[in-house]
Formats: sequence, C-alpha cells, structure tokens
Amino acid sequence: EAQVTQNPRYLITVTGKKLTVTCSQNMNHEYMSWYRQDPGLGLRQIYYSMNVEVTDKGDVPEGYKVSRKEKRNFPLILESPSPNQTSLYFCASTGRGLLNYGYTFGSGTRLTVV
Amino acid sequence: AQSVTQPDIHITVSEGASLELRCNYSYGATPYLFWYVQSPGQGLQLLLKYFSGDTLVQGIKGFEAEFKRSQSSFNLRKPSVHWSDAAEYFCAVTGRGSYIPTFGRGTSLIVHP
Repeated sequence: EAQVTQNPRYLITVTGKKLTVTCSQNMNHEYMSWYRQDPGLGLRQIYYSMNVEVTDKGDVPEGYKVSRKEKRNFPLILESPSPNQTSLYFCASTGRGLLNYGYTFGSGTRLTVV
Repeated sequence: AQSVTQPDIHITVSEGASLELRCNYSYGATPYLFWYVQSPGQGLQLLLKYFSGDTLVQGIKGFEAEFKRSQSSFNLRKPSVHWSDAAEYFCAVTGRGSYIPTFGRGTSLIVHP
C-alpha cells in the first residue's frame, strides 16, 4: 500500500531533550515536506526537500532540523525542544509531474513538550 | 506570493443536503489548486486537483470543484452530504511548476442527522 509512515504517533517529552520524528514513504517520491498544524493557524511548512541531499526552509524552520540522506526517509529533528513546539506534525510526499502531483500525508505525530 | 482564503471557519449542514465550501486564491496567473480532507485523528487526504483544462473537476468520495478564473475561486461541492463527510477541509494553491503548496486555514464541516 502506498503510504507515508510517521513515528511515533504520540510523544511527550521534556524541554531540551533532543528528539527525532521519523518519516518514510514507499512511493519513490522526490518531494517531501514537514508541516505543523496548530488550532486557528492551519498548516505551516517547516522544511521541505526536493530530492536526496536537497532541503530548504519553509515558513517556520526555527528550532527544527531535517536531513534527506535517502530518498524514502525524511526525519525531523528537534535538538532542544521547547513548549512552543507542542503541536501536531505531519510529513507528506509527492511525486513529480502532473500525473503524480498531490501530497500524500502521514497520520501525524502529536508532540507535547513540558 | 500565492495565498488562499477559506472564508468559512465552520459550516453546518443536514445529512442529505448539498454542500459548497468556498476557496479564494491570490496568484498572478492560473495556479494549481487542490482540496484535501482531514478526518478526526488522521492526516490529510487529497480529494481532487486542478491544473488546467475543464474547469469542473471530479474527485473522490463524490466531491467536485469548479475553477472560476474571474472570481479567483475554487469551490468544493457535493450534492448530498453523508454523516461520514464531517471533517476538516483544506484548499491549497501552488504556482505553476512549483511543488510547495500554500494551504488555507481550513473549514470544519459539521453534519447534523
């Protein structure tokens, strides 16, 4: 089944403790993105990647890192999480070309930083 | 820069009634347009997309959307709503050739029995 898999689904952590949210897609998609979703603010892009080793900042990149060493994986790293990073996070991917264009989203990771 | 506005934060309809969710975009040319649905506790799912050509596009789950260039709109419609359609709906826009969408803030659909 074509899908984007995020782990974990739920995470509670303490301020300053480094964490990684994993994201993997099995569709050979070139483009991958991370979003955060907050009430009243909709979806905001954190980082995106156009291919292996090619990443760029989105609208709200502060406090986050990403890497794209393999085409299928796009982990999101919070090196020193803070309470304002408590949010619902989504990873998404899409292929190139009009036939393949349309993001597939993961099921989300609900992060709470205390 | 592109932007998208969903004027309605909440919409309430009765089951079996018709539905129209509004989406207005701002972009210098004809953009690529999308509608996504987010069921409670789930990620977003693509309902339909418009790139060019026929301005009425059909999607999954019985939804359709119409692109109106003169009104800069891409409204989502369904002739008869089912209780399972209760969800959050997001309109998104990208520039032609871009793969970085801008999402609207979403419209929450409530379906009364």
